[in-house]
Amino acid sequence: AAGVIQSPRHLIKEKRETATLKCYPIPRHDTVYWYQQGPGQDPQFLISFYEKMQSDKGSIPDRFSAQQFSDYHSELNMSSLELGDSALYFCASSLDGPYEQYFGPGTRLTVT
Amino acid sequence: DAKTTQPNSMESNEEEPVHLPCNHSTISGTDYIHWYRQLPSQGPEYVIHGLTSNVNNRMASLAIAEDRKSSTLILHRATLRDAAVYYCIRKTGANNLFFGTGTRLTVIP
Repeated sequence: AAGVIQSPRHLIKEKRETATLKCYPIPRHDTVYWYQQGPGQDPQFLISFYEKMQSDKGSIPDRFSAQQFSDYHSELNMSSLELGDSALYFCASSLDGPYEQYFGPGTRLTVT
Repeated sequence: DAKTTQPNSMESNEEEPVHLPCNHSTISGTDYIHWYRQLPSQGPEYVIHGLTSNVNNRMASLAIAEDRKSSTLILHRATLRDAAVYYCIRKTGANNLFFGTGTRLTVIP
């Protein structure tokens, strides 16, 4: 079965640069979520989209923005990168409602 | 965020049952209880979820207390591949998941 696809899998950027992470949800899933997991930490919810509209916002810095496109894929844009942004970024998708979320393999972002 | 309380770590012998407890004493009537696990270097993986009744699937069973203030995830026969951090999550009206600290399960061969 198709899973959530994230690209790139690894990304190295320097401080103050920008980065774009992409997420392709499972077909027919209408909701996409972004999570950040710092080293040794638990995943933290950043933002979610339902039917291309932002549905909820967590601890996402103002330097980050995201959107969901007409084909339901989503992009997380990160600007003015800081060392503390180094983390694993997971995308998940689901059907809208109290249903399970399916996570992608993550993008490991390293900021130097 | 929606609070749950879990032990930081647990150990189990291989091929024995494991009972992972979770307290969610402030749960409301419409909150679902979800369990996810995260294996090393992987994204979280859905395990099971329920509302009021006990639930079974191919991975595990979920036993929910009658007052819904606690639940227990049951792995019927632990294998080495079950070693992971297990998260109990109270899923509120918002669809996003709030991960707590979780329980790190070690399976001893």
